[in-house]
Amino acid sequence: DTAVSQTPKYLVTQMGNDKSIKCEQNLGHDTMYWYKQDSKKFLKIMFSYNNKELIINETVPNRFSPKSPDKAHLNLHINSLELGDSAVYFCASSQSMNNEQFFGPGTRLTVL
Amino acid sequence: SQQGEEDPQALSIQEGENATMNCSYKTSINNLQWYRQNSGRGLVHLILIRSNEREKHSGRLRVTLDTSKKSSSLLITASRAADTASYFCATDVPGDYKLSFGAGTTVTVRA
Repeated sequence: DTAVSQTPKYLVTQMGNDKSIKCEQNLGHDTMYWYKQDSKKFLKIMFSYNNKELIINETVPNRFSPKSPDKAHLNLHINSLELGDSAVYFCASSQSMNNEQFFGPGTRLTVL
Repeated sequence: SQQGEEDPQALSIQEGENATMNCSYKTSINNLQWYRQNSGRGLVHLILIRSNEREKHSGRLRVTLDTSKKSSSLLITASRAADTASYFCATDVPGDYKLSFGAGTTVTVRA
């Protein structure tokens, strides 16, 4: 039973397209996150939701829109994809803020 | 901006040896965490140490925290090939829910 799962694992798409990445956690956690990891392995927070409420919204282009239909799910929709969006995107969850985080396996996005 | 910075960037050791890596940060923290990332995988939590703690152990892992120097170290004893991974420190600061990660130390354990 996977604690934090993401789909798809790989996503290859053309510039200008719109795509979504889905995340689900079965840990009963209240808080979920989206991170972007670049080619140098630098990991940066993008968004965080606590009990379905957006609490962290870093300086991210508004082409990126998170959606949390319920506490167990946090999806990421990206409009008008650009080359610079190519990265690995990780979803994570934690019981509450500032606790240990559990990461999903990542989604490798390649924009051509 | 990046809060934590790991040192060294890369480390290569023989199986059975100990591996030590350091993390320095810039501002006062609530907690400091260490994570491991195997190639092509997500991050796995290793240890969380609070700002009022100085040392923590978990199996073959030992973490120290020196808040006066704004630094932490992670020691892996008796390393194994399976310890080959990237190791990241992450900090959170008072009043902020954000976890800031360093760039990581890549550890290679040679058989």
